[in-house]
Amino acid sequence: EVQLVESGGGLVQPGRSLRLSCAASGFTFDDYAMHWVRQAPGKGLEWVSGISWNSGSIGYADSVKGRFTISRDNAKNSLYLQMNSLRAEDTALYYCAKVGGGVGPFDYWGQGTLVTVSS
Amino acid sequence: DIQMTQSPSSLSASVGDRVTITCRASQSISSYLNWYQQKPGKAPKLLIYAASSLQSGVPSRFSGSGSGTDFTLTISSLQPEDFATYYCQQSYSTLLFTFGPGTKVDIK
Repeated sequence: EVQLVESGGGLVQPGRSLRLSCAASGFTFDDYAMHWVRQAPGKGLEWVSGISWNSGSIGYADSVKGRFTISRDNAKNSLYLQMNSLRAEDTALYYCAKVGGGVGPFDYWGQGTLVTVSS
Repeated sequence: DIQMTQSPSSLSASVGDRVTITCRASQSISSYLNWYQQKPGKAPKLLIYAASSLQSGVPSRFSGSGSGTDFTLTISSLQPEDFATYYCQQSYSTLLFTFGPGTKVDIK
């Protein structure tokens, strides 16, 4: 059974940093691209960042470019999101998601970890 | 960047109704269009991928169509468990995916 479990969220002050993790199991992690998607309270889904299976290709939404860094450790079956210079507008539930294959859709999602940026 | 729009933003419907949601891309995305359903407090669930392919386990009352810039999600006979928010997503731009703003389907 595929499982994605996010952790690392919490309350953080504006301008500070936070690192999210996503532990994957139930599939061959290094076969698939992975992504982070966030959802602000009461709002829609926003794609944040994605990384290819071998970390050779990485993409970011304009809203986080230069502040967030995605990475993965295939030996640990883990995905990460380093978030620096956090802003109030980064407050959201952060999901990690697995790509179904190729340039495909997100076929599995975690339950999300909540990040709240507030003083 | 590719922008996605959806219409309507919300709709009210009754059980048994046929429901159609439209998604439009700002440029051609071929068939790289996916649909998700999200219920309150839950993670999104993949319904349709590659514009018209039904994800395993998804009821056949859900269908998708379109290519290029215009796409539709159709629910042939709305069921109580289908009241949710639906999002389209383009996966044409490698590692620069975007979602539509969502369509909330609620009970009339």
